[in-house]
Amino acid sequence: NAGVTQTPKFQVLKTGQSMTLQCAQDMNHEYMSWYRQDPGMGLRLIHYSVGAGITDQGEVPNGYNVSRSTTEDFPLRLLSAAPSQTSVYFCASSRDRANYGYTFGSGTRLTVV
Amino acid sequence: RKEVEQDPGPFNVPEGATVAFNCTYSNSASQSFFWYRQDCRKEPKLLMSVYSSGNEDGRFTAQLNRASQYISLLIRDSKLSDSATYLCVVTSPTGGSYIPTFGRGTSLIVHP
Repeated sequence: NAGVTQTPKFQVLKTGQSMTLQCAQDMNHEYMSWYRQDPGMGLRLIHYSVGAGITDQGEVPNGYNVSRSTTEDFPLRLLSAAPSQTSVYFCASSRDRANYGYTFGSGTRLTVV
Repeated sequence: RKEVEQDPGPFNVPEGATVAFNCTYSNSASQSFFWYRQDCRKEPKLLMSVYSSGNEDGRFTAQLNRASQYISLLIRDSKLSDSATYLCVVTSPTGGSYIPTFGRGTSLIVHP
């Protein structure tokens, strides 16, 4: 099993550009989420999904969209990149968000110039 | 008050030492608790769940104190390879769902 796969690993964007961060898991997990991690801020939840077709906002959703058309995939879309979105982005999945831990992807390091 | 708080450290200890971290949480309805380990520039990895009765995994012991609303992680016989940031995670009911909240992490440095 590959676990949680994120692409790309690194990305540089210009302000105003849009892009999609890809996330796929092969563990048949229902729960998937996106986090951003900034120095001194810890991991902050952007969006999450409890199953295909269901998404909801987390702590810092502004500037990001998500969709969940299949159990496996949970892409994160940056609508119009801003320097404040420079961060490390992690996708995570879990069998059951209440009682099980999460498996993280290896992250995407995004720089917006 | 932050939902989940950790002492950022760093905790600087010699090999073989015993070290303990605490993590406090504010929501008394929190349901599940975890410790994660994160190495520099890597993703967090689940270290262990924390159960009400306490649980042990080799040199690591995790405990939960619901009355005082904190969890702890004890590492015995520290190894150089234990150097990392340790994140606590608390899952709480929010608007009909369960949302995990991460602490900002405690940095551990084990030196020879």
